[in-house]
Amino acid sequence: GQQLNQSPQSMFIQEGEDVSMNCTSSSIFNTWLWYKQEPGEGPVLLIALYKAGELTSNGRLTAQFGITRKDSFLNISASIPSDVGIYFCAGLRGNQFYFGTGTSLTVIP
Amino acid sequence: NAGVTQTPKFQVLKTGQSMTLQCAQDMNHNSMYWYRQDPGMGLRLIYYSASEGTTDKGEVPNGYNVSRLNKREFSLRLESAAPSQTSVYFCASRGLAGLEQFFGPGTRLTVL
Repeated sequence: GQQLNQSPQSMFIQEGEDVSMNCTSSSIFNTWLWYKQEPGEGPVLLIALYKAGELTSNGRLTAQFGITRKDSFLNISASIPSDVGIYFCAGLRGNQFYFGTGTSLTVIP
Repeated sequence: NAGVTQTPKFQVLKTGQSMTLQCAQDMNHNSMYWYRQDPGMGLRLIYYSASEGTTDKGEVPNGYNVSRLNKREFSLRLESAAPSQTSVYFCASRGLAGLEQFFGPGTRLTVL
């Protein structure tokens, strides 16, 4: 089935550092989304991207929709302890969302 | 508003037992989804319902059945549970024009 590849799989960073993660697919999506999941909870939408090349920010988070429409990137600036969690990318095709494998982020105070 | 609710939160089954996972949303959303989440696999779509009265298979439908009882409720049934169905199950809903899926808190299922 369709699987989006995320990298890195996990990250351990110091508080205050910037974070970058990406998501790639073998096929095109017209919409990319980024979610965050905290332990014991369901994923929560962070950012949605609607067209190729789009760059969108939400506070300290910035995401980009790749020009090829086969990839997307998420950056978190000046990380803080509450950024801890698993970040998932997702592509939307028709009515179906296809999720990436996740990037686990640990922030060391 | 409660958003998306799921019951039960935890369940342990023996191989071969059956059970139904319940999901309800109070946001008047048209589309509802069932996912399973396994370590290192992300979320995989089991079934979805684009509107009341319709259901479609997702990526991993084998061993599951669903019912869209009405606009609010979408249930997932395991007829004969297998250890491979040990997972965390999430229900989600989405409005007609919106992109955002709202997820429930999940059901943690263990099949022995």
